[in-house]
Amino acid sequence: AQTVTQSQPEMSVQEAETVTLSCTYDTSESDYYLFWYKQPPSRQMILVIRQEAYKQQNATENRFSVNFQKAAKSFSLKISDSQLGDAAMYFCAFDFGNEKLTFGTGTRLTIIP
Amino acid sequence: DADVTQTPRNRITKTGKRIMLECSQTKGHDRMYWYRQDPGLGLRLIYYSFDVKDINKGEISDGYSVSRQAQAKFSLSLESAIPNQTALYFCATSDFGGLDTGELFFGEGSRLTVL
Repeated sequence: AQTVTQSQPEMSVQEAETVTLSCTYDTSESDYYLFWYKQPPSRQMILVIRQEAYKQQNATENRFSVNFQKAAKSFSLKISDSQLGDAAMYFCAFDFGNEKLTFGTGTRLTIIP
Repeated sequence: DADVTQTPRNRITKTGKRIMLECSQTKGHDRMYWYRQDPGLGLRLIYYSFDVKDINKGEISDGYSVSRQAQAKFSLSLESAIPNQTALYFCATSDFGGLDTGELFFGEGSRLTVL
C-alpha cells in the first residue's frame, strides 16, 4: 500500500526563524513526484514546491526548500525566515506513478509575531 | 477569472436532498479530479477522470457519482445527502506529460453542510 504520513498536526515558529515540517511515505515505486501544498485561511490550495524522485538535488523555491531522502522515504519542508503570511495548513502529496495525488493529513503552521 | 471554477462555493442542505457540485476549467487539461477534505484526514480522492470517456472511482466513492460532460466540465453528485458528507470539496485538474506533470491545479473549494 502507498501511504503518506505527516506526524505533526500542529507546529509553531517565531517570525523570522526557520521551521521544518516532516513527511514520510511508503511505496515500492522508484519513480514518482513529490509536492508540498499550502492552504491558507482562504482555503485555496497553493503549490509550494515540487520534487522529482529521480533527481538527487533537493528543490528550492526562495525561502522554501526540501530535504528529500529517498532511501529513508522522507520528504521534509524547510521554511526559512518565516513570515506571517506563511501561516497555513501544509500538505505533502505524492504521485506514485498513477497520475493521482495521495495526500498526508496536514500540519497546521502558526507564526508567532 | 480562475482557471478552475467550482459552484457553489458554499451550500447548506438537508439530509436526503440531492446535491450537485459543478466544476469547469479553462486550462485545457484532460485529467480532472474530485477530492474531499475533512479535518485531520487531509484530502481524499472521490472520483477521477482521464478523459471524457474515462471515469474512475477513488478511495471514498460510496454515496457519490460523477459526470464528465465535456473536457472542461466535471460534476459531482450526492444523490441523497447525509450529515457525514459535510466537508470541503475540491475539484482539480492536471496535465500529465506536460511540464507540470503530476501537479494538481485546484478550484477554490465548495463547502457543503448537510443538516
